[in-house]
Amino acid sequence: AQSVTQPDARVTVSEGASLQLRCKYSYSATPYLFWYVQYPRQGLQMLLKYYSGDPVVQGVNGFEAEFSKSDSSFHLRKASVHWSDSAVYFCAVSAHYAQGLTFGLGTRVSVFP
Amino acid sequence: DMKVTQMPRYLIKRMGENVLLECGQDMSHETMYWYRQDPGLGLQLIYISYDVDSNSEGDIPKGYRVSRKKREHFSLILDSAKTNQTSVYFCASRTGTANTEVFFGKGTRLTVV
Repeated sequence: AQSVTQPDARVTVSEGASLQLRCKYSYSATPYLFWYVQYPRQGLQMLLKYYSGDPVVQGVNGFEAEFSKSDSSFHLRKASVHWSDSAVYFCAVSAHYAQGLTFGLGTRVSVFP
Repeated sequence: DMKVTQMPRYLIKRMGENVLLECGQDMSHETMYWYRQDPGLGLQLIYISYDVDSNSEGDIPKGYRVSRKKREHFSLILDSAKTNQTSVYFCASRTGTANTEVFFGKGTRLTVV
């Protein structure tokens, strides 16, 4: 079975600073990898996804993520955050559509102006 | 407009009452899911539906059942609700492949008193 670890429960950054959120996964093969964001009282929205090809994938709102097979990681980055990026970010894996997504516990990001 | 709609958004029930959570999607997706989200536990998969009348238990099915009589609708039923079923419930849908986006509803916050 697959699993996801997000080691940072909370991250605080200043507006305009860069952001990196860490994600490590456990799976025997390369799974499908996702980052989702959850704003207060909302559902989850996909930022980006990866399965194969260029290990750096671009997502919405200036987010990108880098896949590393050797490190079993899929870290999310943004060069310059805005106060509206304050949210909870979830890393997820999907080995098979029938199993749904397996989520990490999330990282709460607070951006201070 | 691609959308997953959950009704109601907020619900308070007494212990022992029956609860019906409803979910609809307008994308004709085959696969639908029910998750619950709790602090410290993240999102946990309750049930999966592969299509009409084709449902499968997820990771935490105990105390829940589901119904899918039309592709667009997927219901979660709690027979005799318990206080430990207080949670935020999310419905989601996707097409039947593992690399596709999972679309989430905005959630139903259920409180069992």
